[in-house]
Amino acid sequence: EPEVTQTPSHQVTQMGQEVILRCVPISNHLYFYWYRQILGQKVEFLVSFYNNEISEKSEIFDDQFSVERPDGSNFTLKIRSTKLEDSAMYFCASSLAGYQETQYFGPGTRLLVL
Amino acid sequence: AQTVTQSQPEMSVQEAETVTLSCTYDTSESDYYLFWYKQPPSRQMILVIRQEAYKQQNATENRFSVNFQKAAKSFSLKISDSQLGDAAMYFCAYRRRRTSGTYKYIFGTGTRLKVLA
Repeated sequence: EPEVTQTPSHQVTQMGQEVILRCVPISNHLYFYWYRQILGQKVEFLVSFYNNEISEKSEIFDDQFSVERPDGSNFTLKIRSTKLEDSAMYFCASSLAGYQETQYFGPGTRLLVL
Repeated sequence: AQTVTQSQPEMSVQEAETVTLSCTYDTSESDYYLFWYKQPPSRQMILVIRQEAYKQQNATENRFSVNFQKAAKSFSLKISDSQLGDAAMYFCAYRRRRTSGTYKYIFGTGTRLKVLA
């Protein structure tokens, strides 16, 4: 069964460094999402992406964040200058269409900012 | 704004027994989806079951069933004949049903289920 994959599984970085989290959505899916979960807190929506542009973003998704689909398979989340509070689990998800209710999630990338 | 609340941070169940995980939500919308996702230690979040709010019949998927009480805004998950493989974090999630606009999920904080042999 097709799955969403994410790399790396863990990333440790120094505050102020740039990180890029990578996701490979399910191949025929058109909508892509990033969520994050700070330890012990809710899974929170960051951004959705369709047709090579952001379709929705949350207040968390500020200028430090960007998303890109650099080729036909990858979907990336970049954090330009990481802060301590960016430490979290980041989940990528995809869905066949926006209106299709089920999103398929990847295993997540655990980001630790020191 | 919509919110989802899972009041049980952790639950335990004996193997082969039945357990119910609670979820309540708040919304002014009348048409939406509700989901239960399972996140085992391998971390992949897997859809367990979903419910369309316009359907009165409770969704069932093998050993998993929901008790959807729309008026009470309650959406509990019942796991029957619990198995060791059911041990995981369970997330309740909400999404509007509109065909355009926001498609984001709103999640609860999760319930960690332990299955005791």
